[in-house]
Amino acid sequence: QKEVEQNSGPLSVPEGAIASLNCTYSDRGSQSFFWYRQYSGKSPELIMFIYSNGDKEDGRFTAQLNKASQYVSLLIRDSQPSDSATYLCAGDSGGSNYKLTFGKGTLLTVNP
Amino acid sequence: DTEVTQTPKHLVMGMTNKKSLKCEQHMGHRAMYWYKQKAKKPPELMFVYSYEKLSINESVPSRFSPECPNSSLLNLHLHALQPEDSALYLCASSQEARGRKQFFGPGTRLTVL
Repeated sequence: QKEVEQNSGPLSVPEGAIASLNCTYSDRGSQSFFWYRQYSGKSPELIMFIYSNGDKEDGRFTAQLNKASQYVSLLIRDSQPSDSATYLCAGDSGGSNYKLTFGKGTLLTVNP
Repeated sequence: DTEVTQTPKHLVMGMTNKKSLKCEQHMGHRAMYWYKQKAKKPPELMFVYSYEKLSINESVPSRFSPECPNSSLLNLHLHALQPEDSALYLCASSQEARGRKQFFGPGTRLTVL
């Protein structure tokens, strides 16, 4: 059973702090990883993707991938109340499979 | 432009009704997906179309019937649904298969009475 596990949260951080969201995966064949942000009642929005080991930065967001440890993380710097949402980690299945395996999501609350 | 549109936004139907959900994208993506999402759960894959052909059916009950009339459109026909089918139905598309970035539409909130 291919699984993506996320720290269950909820995670609460003060405004301006760094929020750290973590994810582990079981399928060593997974090549690509995605972070989606989902506001309550809305659809998931792709905010970061990472294919290679190391860090990838985009504005206040940094995605980190460690394939040896099968670990993916998302750091949000200078957290804002508008970052309060559920963050979904997803990994592909490698090969020619189209499927993404989603984690259960971590609810992040940024307190003003 | 990374927009996927879905209609209707909300749908209420009885168990004997027939209705359809519509999804459209104009990004030239060749893979399109239907997901179902229940509250506080991650999206659950239902169907995948690649190059207008059904590629994956995740053992979805036959009361859900997908259709891909062309590379930009994806429909989900609904018939004889159950109250437990009430959920947010999400359409997504990606440029290619193999785990390329999937972009979600806003979803259709379906309530089955």
